[in-house]
Amino acid sequence: GENVEQHPSTLSVQEGDSAVIKCTYSDSASNYFPWYKQELGKRPQLIIDIRSNVGEKKDQRIAVTLNKTAKHFSLHITETQPEDSAVYFCAAFNAGGTSYGKLTFGQGTILTVHP
Amino acid sequence: DAGVIQSPRHEVTEMGQEVTLRCKPISGHDYLFWYRQTMMRGLELLIYFNNNVPIDDSGMPEDRFSAKMPNASFSTLKIQPSEPRDSAVYFCASRDRELTEAFFGQGTRLTVV
Repeated sequence: GENVEQHPSTLSVQEGDSAVIKCTYSDSASNYFPWYKQELGKRPQLIIDIRSNVGEKKDQRIAVTLNKTAKHFSLHITETQPEDSAVYFCAAFNAGGTSYGKLTFGQGTILTVHP
Repeated sequence: DAGVIQSPRHEVTEMGQEVTLRCKPISGHDYLFWYRQTMMRGLELLIYFNNNVPIDDSGMPEDRFSAKMPNASFSTLKIQPSEPRDSAVYFCASRDRELTEAFFGQGTRLTVV
């Protein structure tokens, strides 16, 4: 089955700096890569995703890049703000095939943005 | 829709007792997932269902854990007997087969003393 590795486990930045979180996956059949944000005491919520037919996707201050050959993808947050402080989870998903539906998450990254 | 609804929000129980966590998925969603979240192990997938049928329960830690989905609008995760190491936040999530976003419930914080 799919195995997702996420790094770093913790990340501390100053407000205004950029933050990058990286994930690798094992199943070359995975074709959908979402990122979820979980604020303290709340549920994880989708913030951005990318499909395997796209190399990069942006949404305001956040972007995700995908390297299918190397089987890794990254979340980039620019101009970080204190409200970006949260736990971020990456996931890899095979939208098709025998494992259709199984959503496996990385271990999570605790991002702290200092004012 | 009110989203994915979990109950109870908090549960404190004594070691050895049976615990039942409940989940109501979003109406019309075909997939239901149970996750366990701890600091050490992150967000672990325990089991997931497709159209009320368990598809993959390889993440269920041991026989003390069981999950059912008797109909499309209700699922339970049962721990019997509970142990202190089961203390965690348990999330239920659901997804529509045509879409890829999974929606999470608010979670149940379980404490076993």
